[in-house]
Amino acid sequence: GENVEQHPSTLSVQEGDSAVIKCTYSDSASNYFPWYKQELGKRPQLIIDIRSNVGEKKDQRIAVTLNKTAKHFSLHITETQPEDSAVYFCAASNPLTGNTGFQKLVFGTGTRLLVSP
Amino acid sequence: DTGVSQDPRHKITKRGQNVTFRCDPISEHNRLYWYRQTLGQGPEFLTYFQNEAQLEKSRLLSDRFSAERPKGSFSTLEIQRTEQGDSAMYLCASSLGQWGNTIYFGEGSWLTVV
Repeated sequence: GENVEQHPSTLSVQEGDSAVIKCTYSDSASNYFPWYKQELGKRPQLIIDIRSNVGEKKDQRIAVTLNKTAKHFSLHITETQPEDSAVYFCAASNPLTGNTGFQKLVFGTGTRLLVSP
Repeated sequence: DTGVSQDPRHKITKRGQNVTFRCDPISEHNRLYWYRQTLGQGPEFLTYFQNEAQLEKSRLLSDRFSAERPKGSFSTLEIQRTEQGDSAMYLCASSLGQWGNTIYFGEGSWLTVV
């Protein structure tokens, strides 16, 4: 089955710096890669996602890049702000063959991002 | 708030007791998922419903766990004879229609087994 590894586990940056979180996956059939942000005691919230027919996607200060050949994808946050402090999870998913569109997300172990003012 | 709702948010129970969690998905979402999350880890898939049919179950879901989604609306997750290892946050999520649509998570139900 799919296995997702995420690095680093902790990332501390100064406000205004950029932050990069990297994930690798094992199943070449995976073709949907969302990123979730989870604040303490809160629900995971989707911040950006990318599908395998796209190499890069950007939304304001957040961007995700995907390298299908190397089976890795990365989250880039520019001009970080203290409110970006949270745990970020990457995930990978592939559609089951001949099924109903079931989508099993396999998550990484998370990156705790701390942005200091 | 019209997001995914879960109840109760917190539950402390003694080992050996049964507990039940309820999830109300976003109203038009036909797909419903249960995940489990322990401290310092990402969510792990437990089970999936499309409408009222339970179509997928993880090997993590032992025979002490049962999930239902009567009438394809809300869902319940019951854990019988709880063990300390069941202590975790149980997350419900829902999505609509096609594969690749956003999966929305609820706030989770924290279970502590003492």
